[in-house]
Amino acid sequence: RKEVEQDPGPFNVPEGATVAFNCTYSNSASQSFFWYRQDCRKEPKLLMSVYSSGNEDGRFTAQLNRASQYISLLIRDSKLSDSATYLCVVNPNQGGKLIFGQGTELSVKP
Amino acid sequence: DVKVTQSSRYLVKRTGEKVFLECVQDMDHENMFWYRQDPGLGLRLIYFSYDVKMKEKGDIPEGYSVSREKKERFSLILESASTNQTSMYLCASRKSSGLSFYEQYFGPGTRLTVT
Repeated sequence: RKEVEQDPGPFNVPEGATVAFNCTYSNSASQSFFWYRQDCRKEPKLLMSVYSSGNEDGRFTAQLNRASQYISLLIRDSKLSDSATYLCVVNPNQGGKLIFGQGTELSVKP
Repeated sequence: DVKVTQSSRYLVKRTGEKVFLECVQDMDHENMFWYRQDPGLGLRLIYFSYDVKMKEKGDIPEGYSVSREKKERFSLILESASTNQTSMYLCASRKSSGLSFYEQYFGPGTRLTVT
């Protein structure tokens, strides 16, 4: 089983749609969680950290379920500019090493 | 603005050549990382360094070595390049702390082709 697994995608949605990505992790002792965004032919960049209580940043909402070992990302009112690959990232301990999921590709169409 | 720079965006090398990929960060970060990214396989950690002169193997260190002589610079070395090392190479850096929420910053990547 992979340490971090994501919905395979691609997700093709119309502008204005709501889309949700899920990600599961295998290490129950994992300490912290993130969503990164990677545009085509660009480097990954932090989208948001995921806190135990859940957190929201504008149209983006991240949730963590420790009991079921999954995190989610919800995007409301999708924009064309949201088209990218979304990477689920887990920090398994207090150290610096991060574990990246394979990514889920999102394509928002007019 | 945090900046992680990599020496080349594109590189073409021949099989058997020794290849050096350089990464420099300007934020005084302790931790630095080298990944490769391949379609369908995602980001895989090759080596990382917690501080100067320190290095740890990642998930796929075979065929690679690293050097961290200065805090701001982390070099990836392909001792004898092979065609299966054709990939996108990404360097990253991160502040070291007891807290685990610090962001990892990536460089723009080097697309290496080995012929």
